[in-house]
Amino acid sequence: AQSVTQLDSQVPVFEEAPVELRCNYSSSVSVYLFWYVQYPNQGLQLLLKYLSGSTLVKGINGFEAEFNKSQTSFHLRKPSVHISDTAEYFCAVSDTAGTYKYIFGTGTRLKVLA
Amino acid sequence: KAGVTQTPRYLIKTRGQQVTLSCSPISGHRSVSWYQQTPGQGLQFLFEYFSETQRNKGNFPGRFSGRQFSNSRSEMNVSTLELGDSALYLCASSLVEGGDGYTFGSGTRLTVV
Repeated sequence: AQSVTQLDSQVPVFEEAPVELRCNYSSSVSVYLFWYVQYPNQGLQLLLKYLSGSTLVKGINGFEAEFNKSQTSFHLRKPSVHISDTAEYFCAVSDTAGTYKYIFGTGTRLKVLA
Repeated sequence: KAGVTQTPRYLIKTRGQQVTLSCSPISGHRSVSWYQQTPGQGLQFLFEYFSETQRNKGNFPGRFSGRQFSNSRSEMNVSTLELGDSALYLCASSLVEGGDGYTFGSGTRLTVV
């Protein structure tokens, strides 16, 4: 079974500052990893995914994440945030054997301050 | 192209009633999954369908059921509603079975009173 831990429930950051949202996972098998963003009263939008290959993954809206197998982490980063990045961010994991379900973390609320 | 469409967007039901939620996936997507989102439990997997077959089911009581039609549209049904079923129900679709990055709909917010 897999599990996902998002260590920070809330992260305040000033506009144009860099940000890192942390995600650690636990799994006894190989995994796929995802980051989603959720704006108020909306569904989840896929930011980026790691399926295989390069451990540095670039996504939409200037976000990137690095898969670190030894540390079982998949932290999300952005070098300069905007007010519009204020949202809730979810990390998710699924196994590569095809159990067809994602396990989501509890989310990190990013608040960008002017 | 059109995204994942969920109807209705909002729903208010009374305890003991049943409800059916609908999901139309992106055209060509054959995998559809459902998730329940609540402030207390977060995002929890309900079930996943591919080609009209349920491939996996989460840890929910039998009151929660679903199905997928030949055109890949999916419905989920909750019978004998309880207050704790109040949640945002999210449907997601993917081209491949199991998903390599699901596309989510905006959800149906169900309130049970």
